[in-house]
Amino acid sequence: EAAVTQSPRNKVAVTGGKVTLSCNQTNNHNNMYWYRQDTGHGLRLIHYSYGAGSTEKGDIPDGYKASRPSQENFSLILELATPSQTSVYFCASGDADGLGTQYFGPGTRLLVL
Amino acid sequence: GDSVTQTEGQVALSEEDFLTIHCNYSASGYPTLFWYVQYPGEGPQLLFRASRDKEKGSSRGFEATYDKGTTSFHLRKASVQESDSAVYYCALSSSSSFSKLVFGQGTSLSVVP
Repeated sequence: EAAVTQSPRNKVAVTGGKVTLSCNQTNNHNNMYWYRQDTGHGLRLIHYSYGAGSTEKGDIPDGYKASRPSQENFSLILELATPSQTSVYFCASGDADGLGTQYFGPGTRLLVL
Repeated sequence: GDSVTQTEGQVALSEEDFLTIHCNYSASGYPTLFWYVQYPGEGPQLLFRASRDKEKGSSRGFEATYDKGTTSFHLRKASVQESDSAVYYCALSSSSSFSKLVFGQGTSLSVVP
């Protein structure tokens, strides 16, 4: 059974539209993370959270908001989507072992036209 | 700040060849070091980790030894298979910010029969 799930798995959006990417984890981890992955850039951290109600800026937060309404759920919100946000987005959860290990979801492929 | 450098961007091998992917890091103290593997269309998954000097991590025939003296965590496998074709990421979590992972740029491994 998958411990980190993401929805939708694929999304096509229009420029200027609002996009919400959802993530759910059943690991009971305190920390959750959003990354984007682009060719030539590897994995880049957008936002992360230490627990319900908290969100923190990662390395590339501009143009993105995050929401953590519960231990299990963490959303990434693009209020005004742009073509430069076309990418593959990964959610992860972690921190149960104190070593920083993270467990990733299957990813969401977003295309902004 | 902390950083991880993977020397090889792409590696092409034949089945049964020996694999080495070089990973060097820069961080204070004793970071935990990770290798993640990402198969096409999936999220990164933990291959193994090590948290102490001279500790060897291993899984599925892959191994790496934590070497604080040379600040390295090189990935090796004695005999690769076509099914090992994937992208491999070296990463670290540091004592200063254990809740975040710092990733290398990734190495794309292609194994032909």
